[in-house]
Amino acid sequence: GAGVSQSPRYKVAKRGQDVALRCDPISGHVSLFWYQQALGQGPEFLTYFQNEAQLDKSGLPSDRFFAERPEGSVSTLKIQRTQQEDSAVYLCASSLNDGLANYGYTFGSGTRLTVV
Amino acid sequence: AQKITQTQPGMFVQEKEAVTLDCTYDTSDPSYGLFWYKQPSSGEMIFLIYQGSYDQQNATEGRYSLNFQKARKSANLVISASQLGDSAMYFCAMRKTSGSARQLTFGSGTQLTVLP
Repeated sequence: GAGVSQSPRYKVAKRGQDVALRCDPISGHVSLFWYQQALGQGPEFLTYFQNEAQLDKSGLPSDRFFAERPEGSVSTLKIQRTQQEDSAVYLCASSLNDGLANYGYTFGSGTRLTVV
Repeated sequence: AQKITQTQPGMFVQEKEAVTLDCTYDTSDPSYGLFWYKQPSSGEMIFLIYQGSYDQQNATEGRYSLNFQKARKSANLVISASQLGDSAMYFCAMRKTSGSARQLTFGSGTQLTVLP
């Protein structure tokens, strides 16, 4: 597609429920990132893929968070047993090469997760 | 560790005037890149401009310019001839350009409002 597509756009989950957030990067983009953006804050890094390999997951806040990109294109961020502090916008970004380009990454519009 | 500081939570500017958004950073890495992103209410992060730590000249992209002062560790964004469509959240970010880390570290942002 023309841009990075994320779905759903909005998700309301009851506390304790599992959720799955999807990211469709730009076709052919090698690098894929997930960020978490709390209300009124800047995005914070969660995890990074190069093709299907998860090279960095140092930003995942707990073992309830899991991300995968099995075929090197679409990625899913899964949050198990959601808690209220998980409420945030989850942003996905992709980059054509290994992520060192000087033109930045292309971000999606995000998924706004609200845990009630 | 890298850190970005944006000290202006909100800024106002009159249409057609110039505005400077402040950004200071802290890093021990000798090689790094600095980015500015715009986030309108739709949520998507839009890449504006990039400055490499070894670049001799300040970056410019249309109405955007980056006032890079390496010794002071500042990378202020200057928007000339402000337009109503410039009203948005603006984030400064940095990334290593060596080693395996690829993620961006963001500041807390500045909300810019352009007044007619």
